Amino acid sequence: GQNIDQPTEMTATEGAIVQINCTYQTSGFNGLFWYQQHAGEAPTFLSYNVLDGLEEKGRFSSFLSRSKGYSYLLLKELQMKDSASYLCAVRDLRYTGRRALTFGSGTRLQVQP
Amino acid sequence: DSGVTQTPKHLITATGQRVTLRCSPRSGDLSVYWYQQSLDQGLQFLIQYYNGEERAKGNILERFSAQQFPDLHSELNLSSLELGDSALYFCASSERGHTDTQYFGPGTRLTVL
Repeated sequence: GQNIDQPTEMTATEGAIVQINCTYQTSGFNGLFWYQQHAGEAPTFLSYNVLDGLEEKGRFSSFLSRSKGYSYLLLKELQMKDSASYLCAVRDLRYTGRRALTFGSGTRLQVQP
Repeated sequence: DSGVTQTPKHLITATGQRVTLRCSPRSGDLSVYWYQQSLDQGLQFLIQYYNGEERAKGNILERFSAQQFPDLHSELNLSSLELGDSALYFCASSERGHTDTQYFGPGTRLTVL
């Protein structure tokens, strides 16, 4: 099966930078996604990595190392509205036609004033 | 707003009953995915349809079934409901492009009493 690990909870201060790590084990890796989810709401797409390196999108950046099975999401200039759960998800094409995502349990980020 | 719609938003029913959840994908998206999110399990993939055909199955119980219609909307049928089926049910859709990013609907919150 697939193993996706990320910290359960993190706390950071408004205006600061936070890095949320994700490690995974899969044999048919075909992309890693980060989603943001506010309580009771739908996950919202943040970023996609399939090649090694850093993808930057405004205040959010995501990094991938396929050889290490490792990714991180970097949030800069934190705002109170960034308090949410951040879900790491991996796509595994081992199974024909399977493009579904396997999600980690999520990291609940609390931004404090 | 992702463009994916789900109805109803909330559903309260009793054990042993049967319910149908409905999802309309984003315009142009051919793939529909169903996920279940409960407090202790995180987001779990249930089933995927592509252009009317079942493509992949995840942790879907035999009491659950789904279908995708010619107009591409999808329905998830849950029968012989148990207390443990109480959860948020999300539908996501994607187009078959390079990233094949999934966009989530607002979800249906099912409460089984």
